[in-house]
Amino acid sequence: GEDVEQSLFLSVREGDSSVINCTYTDSSSTYLYWYKQEPGAGLQLLTYIFSNMDMKQDQRLTVLLNKKDKHLSLRIADTQTGDSAIYFCAETSSYKLIFGSGTRLLVRP
Amino acid sequence: GAVVSQHPSWVICKSGTSVKIECRSLDFQATTMFWYRQFPKQSLMLMATSNEGSKATYEQGVEKDKFLINHASLTLSTLTVTSAHPEDSSFYICSASGTSAEQFFGPGTRLTVL
Repeated sequence: GEDVEQSLFLSVREGDSSVINCTYTDSSSTYLYWYKQEPGAGLQLLTYIFSNMDMKQDQRLTVLLNKKDKHLSLRIADTQTGDSAIYFCAETSSYKLIFGSGTRLLVRP
Repeated sequence: GAVVSQHPSWVICKSGTSVKIECRSLDFQATTMFWYRQFPKQSLMLMATSNEGSKATYEQGVEKDKFLINHASLTLSTLTVTSAHPEDSSFYICSASGTSAEQFFGPGTRLTVL
């Protein structure tokens, strides 16, 4: 079945790097996504990676994809207090997005 | 571009009443709209998918008579929670996609049923 898993919580100090991990199940996913959700708000697409790529870098964000292990990670360099939010990874299954449980990132000053 | 709005942003209603939530794509034509439900500290669960002019496709376990979805135009979809009960209290989020497969999310509607 479809099941996307993430660790629930991550706490880092401001200026450090954050790494959020995700495992997915659908090997046919064409794209894999990372979304950010701030309190009481909708989802903001941060970045995505095509399934035939290993890595994608976009300013402070680096996405790594290990297709063999079905493992996806999001690295945020120089984490800021404004990065505190919930981060969801998502895989595509047909036309649907299947979301992970979300990782709450807390950035300590 | 690609802005999706929802109205209202929050609503409180009495048990047994019906509530309508609107989802609008403001600057693009949304051929497909999605409705999600999010419980506190949990992930988004897809409730249904609607294509303009067609009946919505509901996910397993979602009552179609309870959650009425209408997608009458390329810029508007509505979700009506009929005979709402406290267990329907949740955060409802819509998303819309047009010519590309990318989904653009609305800001969400918080429903509280007393």
